[in-house]
Amino acid sequence: DTGVSQNPRHKITKRGQNVTFRCDPISEHNRLYWYRQTLGQGPEFLTYFQNEAQLEKSRLLSDRFSAERPKGSFSTLEIQRTEQGDSAMYLCASSLGRRGLETQYFGPGTRLLVL
Amino acid sequence: GQSLEQPSEVTAVEGAIVQINCTYQTSGFYGLSWYQQHDGGAPTFLSYNGLDGLEETGRFSSFLSRSDSYGYLLLQELQMKDSASYFCAQGPDRGSTLGRLYFGRGTQLTVWP
Repeated sequence: DTGVSQNPRHKITKRGQNVTFRCDPISEHNRLYWYRQTLGQGPEFLTYFQNEAQLEKSRLLSDRFSAERPKGSFSTLEIQRTEQGDSAMYLCASSLGRRGLETQYFGPGTRLLVL
Repeated sequence: GQSLEQPSEVTAVEGAIVQINCTYQTSGFYGLSWYQQHDGGAPTFLSYNGLDGLEETGRFSSFLSRSDSYGYLLLQELQMKDSASYFCAQGPDRGSTLGRLYFGRGTQLTVWP
């Protein structure tokens, strides 16, 4: 399978715990995005990497959130001291990075439930 | 930020044609994309309009008019499996190296037999 993969697919945690999600993009894609989606809403942008550089962070990304893409391949998104409001689907997407053509291909997502 | 408006729900019967509209307020972007998402699934890319006009991909077509700040997705010969949420997404922004997309809230399409 050469699509975007994400692990785990589901995560249930207690409030206050830390969680980490992993995204493996399509291999030749330079750009990697994290989005968050809640019920009845479209995906909302969180952050974006061009290779290993994190170029943009949304205001939605509080200090408790951190994302890395250390070698320009896979990426991790960590949430510290989780809150119930963090419950959502976390989606990763990747794209080739060709200017003006940004078809983003999404992974299956990690559904987080904070109790 | 960008604001994209879509109808929240659309219903149709098998074999029919349905059009899902998307209006926006902010210009200065490269294109309008459409994604399909089944319950519990990931958004799947359907179509992209970088230029004004119609793009056809099998049973799905998409249209963009920048002068009217408007686009639509046209689904023909509807099938039960087309029941899903459909999102329009605007971006990336021109003059920016950033690639973020701005999504609408989605339109829930229900296809009846």
